Amino acid sequence: DAGVTQSPTHLIKTRGQQVTLRCSPKSGHDTVSWYQQALGQGPQFIFQYYEEEERQRGNFPDRFSGHQFPNYSSELNVNALLLGDSALYLCASSLGTGAYEQYFGPGTRLTVT
Amino acid sequence: GQQVMQIPQYQHVQEGEDFTTYCNSSTTLSNIQWYKQRPGGHPVFLIQLVKSGEVKKQKRLTFQFGEAKKNSSLHITATQTTDVGTYFCAVFASGGSYIPTFGRGTSLIVHP
Repeated sequence: DAGVTQSPTHLIKTRGQQVTLRCSPKSGHDTVSWYQQALGQGPQFIFQYYEEEERQRGNFPDRFSGHQFPNYSSELNVNALLLGDSALYLCASSLGTGAYEQYFGPGTRLTVT
Repeated sequence: GQQVMQIPQYQHVQEGEDFTTYCNSSTTLSNIQWYKQRPGGHPVFLIQLVKSGEVKKQKRLTFQFGEAKKNSSLHITATQTTDVGTYFCAVFASGGSYIPTFGRGTSLIVHP
């Protein structure tokens, strides 16, 4: 039973560029949430996708957008990268959009220079 | 917005000592989750508390939800080196919001 997978593992981008991160949920899960975790901080909720639609959104600007595909996998896109976007980006999957147990992937470490 | 504070930020213990971390919210919660993140790893779900005054145990770990549903604690008895990591609480405000707010976490360092 495959857990949550994310790609790539690490990424280095320049200010102003755009990036796409990918996530495949745990088998059987239909809901994907994305988080940003800065060094020494807890994960911050970006948004959640269910049935290919954004269902909930945290306090992040429109530069952060996403997509969910029919197979439940998901992408996180960040435009016009800023130095402050450097962080670990975590994907978590769950069964439903409620306050359910979340399974986190290993994350993508994004560095913006 | 939702405010959550975890204390302490760091805790050094000798192996075999007990450890407790606290999670305090500014508002009443519907439920709370606890996660553990090993150094260089990702958060792993430990437990969810829903009822006022609820106490749940997992081997050496004891989780408690306050009577007013505004705070929670995680207590580890007789720590082991395998307990090293950062423990996060994730809170859900009452009123139907399913957006979790994570605390900054408590980093546990266990000295053998």
